[in-house]
Amino acid sequence: QVQLVESGGGLFKPGGSLRLSCAASGFNFNDNYFSWIRQAPGKGLEWVSYIGGRTDTIAYADSVKGRFTISRDVAKNSLYLQVDSLRAEDTAVYYCARGTTNYYYYAMDVWGQGTTVTVSS
Amino acid sequence: SSELTQDPAVSVALGQIVRITCHGDSLRSFSASWYQHKPGQAPVLLIYAHNSRPSGIPDRFSGSNSANTASLTITGAQAEDEADYYCNSRDSGGNLVVFGGGTKLTVL
Repeated sequence: QVQLVESGGGLFKPGGSLRLSCAASGFNFNDNYFSWIRQAPGKGLEWVSYIGGRTDTIAYADSVKGRFTISRDVAKNSLYLQVDSLRAEDTAVYYCARGTTNYYYYAMDVWGQGTTVTVSS
Repeated sequence: SSELTQDPAVSVALGQIVRITCHGDSLRSFSASWYQHKPGQAPVLLIYAHNSRPSGIPDRFSGSNSANTASLTITGAQAEDEADYYCNSRDSGGNLVVFGGGTKLTVL
């Protein structure tokens, strides 16, 4: 079935780095956009980044630009998020999601269950 | 800060109609999508492109838009509809994605 499964979360120290992974199955990975979205404790959903299209179009939220790097490996049907210079405010549940999009909208129709990242000394 | 604004909380009596709204300048140019999010679960896409419903979403959920406001209407709210609801769209420049702050729906 159509599925996204995140991994790579855990407890990390401020200033450190992490890489989150998202394994896709049940659909053609190459044809889609993908996003990372996070939810900090007690807060709402925050879009972080997307990647997709024939030329791997990439965009980042202003709040993470310069520290976060999104990538994907089509051969492995996997999406990644590299986070450097970790801060306490990066503590959140991180979701990957498949995007369905055209010029007028960007919606996310398949979501993973999320992976929890805690940044603390 | 979010470019899309939602009321933090809304309540509805069981079986009644409720409308959840989302305001933002980007909605004049781009379509809204709506998500239901329950604690400990993945968000679920309810509506995209203002008023299209993915397969499997009950038809009591509908979307509409007017100018800078998008609305999600639940016609005949059920107990299981108690959740957080989020809108999203492209940002005003069209290249980024934004979410509203979310609305907590309580079914009385």
